[in-house]
Amino acid sequence: RKEVEQDPGPFNVPEGATVAFNCTYSNSASQSFFWYRQDCRKEPKLLMSVYSSGNEDGRFTAQLNRASQYISLLIRDSKLSDSATYLCVVTPGGYQKVTFGIGTKLQVIP
Amino acid sequence: DTGVSQNPRHKITKRGQNVTFRCDPISEHNRLYWYRQTLGQGPEFLTYFQNEAQLEKSRLLSDRFSAERPKGSFSTLEIQRTEQGDSAMYLCASSPGLAGGNEQFFGPGTRLTVL
Repeated sequence: RKEVEQDPGPFNVPEGATVAFNCTYSNSASQSFFWYRQDCRKEPKLLMSVYSSGNEDGRFTAQLNRASQYISLLIRDSKLSDSATYLCVVTPGGYQKVTFGIGTKLQVIP
Repeated sequence: DTGVSQNPRHKITKRGQNVTFRCDPISEHNRLYWYRQTLGQGPEFLTYFQNEAQLEKSRLLSDRFSAERPKGSFSTLEIQRTEQGDSAMYLCASSPGLAGGNEQFFGPGTRLTVL
């Protein structure tokens, strides 16, 4: 089993739709979780940290399910500008390597 | 601009040559990471520094790869005897670390093409 798994997509959704991505992780000792956004041929940019209690930032909601070992990202009212690849990141904590998922590609269609 | 910077942005080299990339992290960030990314994949962890100490290295980092962060500020990544399979985007990231948080901020990357 991969350390971090994501559905690579692509997810093609119409403008205004709600879309959700999941990311599963295998290390139960993982402590920090993040979602990054990456546009084509650009560097990843931090979108949100994922807290145990869940967190929301405008149209974006991130949640953590430790029991089932996955994190999720929900995007409401999708905009054309949301088209990008969404990478989940899992950090075991301490001095251990950070693991990125393969990324989920989102294409918002007019 | 106080973000992470990387130089050069693009590098084209012939197989067998050595290349060196530089990363300047955000000021006062203790942690510095190097990643490699190829098309259609997420960034793959290469190595990590806490200040000047290199604390973790991936098995991906063969003996042809070496990284340094001599004064705990900028870092260099050197690839010796480059191979075509080394062609990729090399990304650097920094984070405050410890109580400052684990969020990483990425530089624009160095795109390496080995002919």
